[in-house]
Amino acid sequence: DGGITQSPKYLFRKEGQNVTLSCEQNLNHDAMYWYRQDPGQGLRLIYYSQIVNDFQKGDIAEGYSVSREKKESFPLTVTSAQKNPTAFYLCASTLLSPTGHYGYTFGSGTRLTVV
Amino acid sequence: DAKTTQPPSMDCAEGRAANLPCNHSTISGNEYVYWYRQIHSQGPQYIIHGLKNNETNEMASLIITEDRKSSTLILPHATLRDTAVYYCIVRLDSNYQLIWGAGTKLIIKP
Repeated sequence: DGGITQSPKYLFRKEGQNVTLSCEQNLNHDAMYWYRQDPGQGLRLIYYSQIVNDFQKGDIAEGYSVSREKKESFPLTVTSAQKNPTAFYLCASTLLSPTGHYGYTFGSGTRLTVV
Repeated sequence: DAKTTQPPSMDCAEGRAANLPCNHSTISGNEYVYWYRQIHSQGPQYIIHGLKNNETNEMASLIITEDRKSSTLILPHATLRDTAVYYCIVRLDSNYQLIWGAGTKLIIKP
């Protein structure tokens, strides 16, 4: 079955460490997105990519980095510059089409905790 | 900033219709309204979307006012498994981004 897979489900990071969250999709979707969600809040956009080897900053990109070397993969690195990284991270993907509108497909999320 | 306004919480009795309102008074002509729901600690699930006309699928119905400044999501026969946070979202026409608000926490009571 097609879908979007995030790993790991839970991740613990020490102060000053970089960590990378994985996001893979086999839906042949064009665009991929990373969101951060804090307790009781909506989703905030970190980065997005509409095409391979290109990505754009979202509203809260500081302290994060991404790459899009393959259409299927959009990993997110949480760097030591991100001062408050403890949150729930969600990856999503969608088809892009001027003639059709498609919903986003979300992964099941990664819960990152700084210890 | 979110382009939508929703009540923070609502209750509904099991088996009744749940009607979730959303205001989007600044929506532009080509921007679609999307609805998602999120069960605790899971990824959001797509429900339905629309532009001008009312829409219905196996999960829900979407009623959009003629001036497009508000909409209502209808879950026709709510079950306990429909308890979730429901997000009403405007999708930007320029870059397909979804602008998320805080959503409505819907609690279905037995």
